Amino acid sequence: GAGVSQSPRYKVAKRGQDVALRCDPISGHVSLFWYQQALGQGPEFLTYFQNEAQLDKSGLPSDRFFAERPEGSVSTLKIQRTQQEDSAVYLCASSLDSGAEAFFGQGTRLTVV
Amino acid sequence: AQSVTQPDIHITVSEGASLELRCNYSYGATPYLFWYVQSPGQGLQLLLKYFSGDTLVQGIKGFEAEFKRSQSSFNLRKPSVHWSDAAEYFCAVGGKAAGNKLTFGGGTRVLVKP
Repeated sequence: GAGVSQSPRYKVAKRGQDVALRCDPISGHVSLFWYQQALGQGPEFLTYFQNEAQLDKSGLPSDRFFAERPEGSVSTLKIQRTQQEDSAVYLCASSLDSGAEAFFGQGTRLTVV
Repeated sequence: AQSVTQPDIHITVSEGASLELRCNYSYGATPYLFWYVQSPGQGLQLLLKYFSGDTLVQGIKGFEAEFKRSQSSFNLRKPSVHWSDAAEYFCAVGGKAAGNKLTFGGGTRVLVKP
């Protein structure tokens, strides 16, 4: 596609519900990143894939957060038993290779009520 | 650990006036430096980047930034601001030593007065 696509754009979840956020990177991009952006703050790194391999998950805030990229293309970020503090915009970015410029999607705004 | 500081949370500038946004970073190796812009409800758009070479970098929309290693700074400038430049601006640092992940500053919100 022309850019990084994320779905859904908006998600409202009841506390305790599981959610899945999808990222379609730019075709051919090897590297994929997930970031979390709380209201009024800069994005914070969550996890990084190179192809299907998850090379860094040091930013995932708890074991309720899980990400996968099984075929090295589409990625899903899953949050189990959502809490209010999970409310944020989740941004996905992809790049052609490690060290190259990263292109960001428009994000998914998650609101936990 | 790498970090980025953007000292100004808000800046108000008159249309046509010049703009400078400050960014200071901490990074243990050769940094890759970036400036992104974010309009409300939108993702991040890259304005410019510094990897190596000339320390004065030109970007899109008339923006430029200067890398000063001695000051650990990467300030963003624009000579004449347009109303459409009102947005939030983020400075970020990354590099191979950090596994290519970016560390962002807290952002500077720019308001443009007519």
